[in-house]
Amino acid sequence: DIQMTQSPSSLSASVGDRVTITCRASQGITNYLAWYQQKPGKVPKLLIYAASTLQSGVPSRFSGSGSGTDFTLTISYLQPEDVATYYCQKYNGSPRTFGQGTKVEIK
Amino acid sequence: EVQLVESGGGLVQPGGSLRVSCAASGYTFSNYDMHWVRQAAGKGLEWVAAIGSAGDTYYLGSVKGRFSVSRENAKASGYLQMNSLTAGDTAVYYCARGRGDGVNRPFEYWGQGTLVTVSS
Repeated sequence: DIQMTQSPSSLSASVGDRVTITCRASQGITNYLAWYQQKPGKVPKLLIYAASTLQSGVPSRFSGSGSGTDFTLTISYLQPEDVATYYCQKYNGSPRTFGQGTKVEIK
Repeated sequence: EVQLVESGGGLVQPGGSLRVSCAASGYTFSNYDMHWVRQAAGKGLEWVAAIGSAGDTYYLGSVKGRFSVSRENAKASGYLQMNSLTAGDTAVYYCARGRGDGVNRPFEYWGQGTLVTVSS
């Protein structure tokens, strides 16, 4: 099975900072990579799919990049409402493995 | 509006069984895969199983042989039958639907989840 490894596991940044989360697949997955945001006590929300396509309604400060095995989620200008845990997921084939999550907090 | 509503969670003893359901509305249920994802308290998301629109099934290795996924298109419902449950299966179980029909889709719609607790 393909493993998905995110880093860091948590981070603390100031409002307005640029935040970058990385996700590495143990084998190539072309661009079958999604990013989800899960706020405390809430259901996960799809942010980005196909590695870099923004889901409708998601603020443009979120962006994704990468292909193959290395992917990045960037929040260009961190806002208080971005406090959440972010997960990457490979969605081709089975299992549809998630990364372990990155918890983002405000400093 | 697409809606997914899970039900059937509860407390079950180790070694016991439980079936959770997911009632779908707002779309043509038969055209879409259904996935099950679980999340233990304070932990990350873990994909568990899926059933395709054609009835093909897929499972996480650790649940294969214990869990069974099914669907009933006439009732727009999906089911996750869980047998030989252990404490490690304790989690909130979500059903999820892909973004668009077809294979290899990210999960755009999620239910609110149902809590399964395995304890004596």
